[in-house]
Amino acid sequence: DAGVIQSPRHEVTEMGQEVTLRCKPISGHNSLFWYRQTMMRGLELLIYFNNNVPIDDSGMPEDRFSAKMPNASFSTLKIQPSEPRDSAVYFCASGGVYTDTQYFGPGTRLTVL
Amino acid sequence: EDQVTQSPEALRLQEGESSSLNCSYTVSGLRGLFWYRQDPGKGPEFLFTLYSAGEEKEKERLKATLTKKESFLHITAPKPEDSATYLCAVQAMGNTGKLIFGQGTTLQVKP
Repeated sequence: DAGVIQSPRHEVTEMGQEVTLRCKPISGHNSLFWYRQTMMRGLELLIYFNNNVPIDDSGMPEDRFSAKMPNASFSTLKIQPSEPRDSAVYFCASGGVYTDTQYFGPGTRLTVL
Repeated sequence: EDQVTQSPEALRLQEGESSSLNCSYTVSGLRGLFWYRQDPGKGPEFLFTLYSAGEEKEKERLKATLTKKESFLHITAPKPEDSATYLCAVQAMGNTGKLIFGQGTTLQVKP
């Protein structure tokens, strides 16, 4: 079975540019989570969706970050404009209907120069 | 404030040398405690979920236990392939979906 799919795996961009990260959750899962991992702050939840609806976005750092889930099989996390402090690994995770377990994708390593 | 603290930050073991990793937590009502393994350059891989004090779960050389204030991940006779960062996370009651992670313990097992 395919796990959570993220693209791109690596992204290098310049400050001020728009960045879009993509995620395809595990088929049949109804929850989707976006996390950010840095050495200083560890793994932090940014936002999560249940049945395509945003439930908790309290972890989104500021208005430069936005996330959408237009359907059950696709989500995006957008940063506009990007800043060097946004450099991190961004993970997407999904969870099933009858479980609290979250399954993580391979991550997108973002570098903002 | 819900919080998770893992210790030690790093642990170096010889192959076959058993040890334990600690995860201390404060949460306003525990819904579940999760252990993940993360290899360099990869996403966290799910290991265990524990729901109540006294619960134990095992997988190969790993055993996770839970009390009201902490969880332990016991590693018996580790092998070099057990080298990874082990992450602990908690989910609070009424906070479905939100996991709060500790900083992790990086384990290195030398042959």
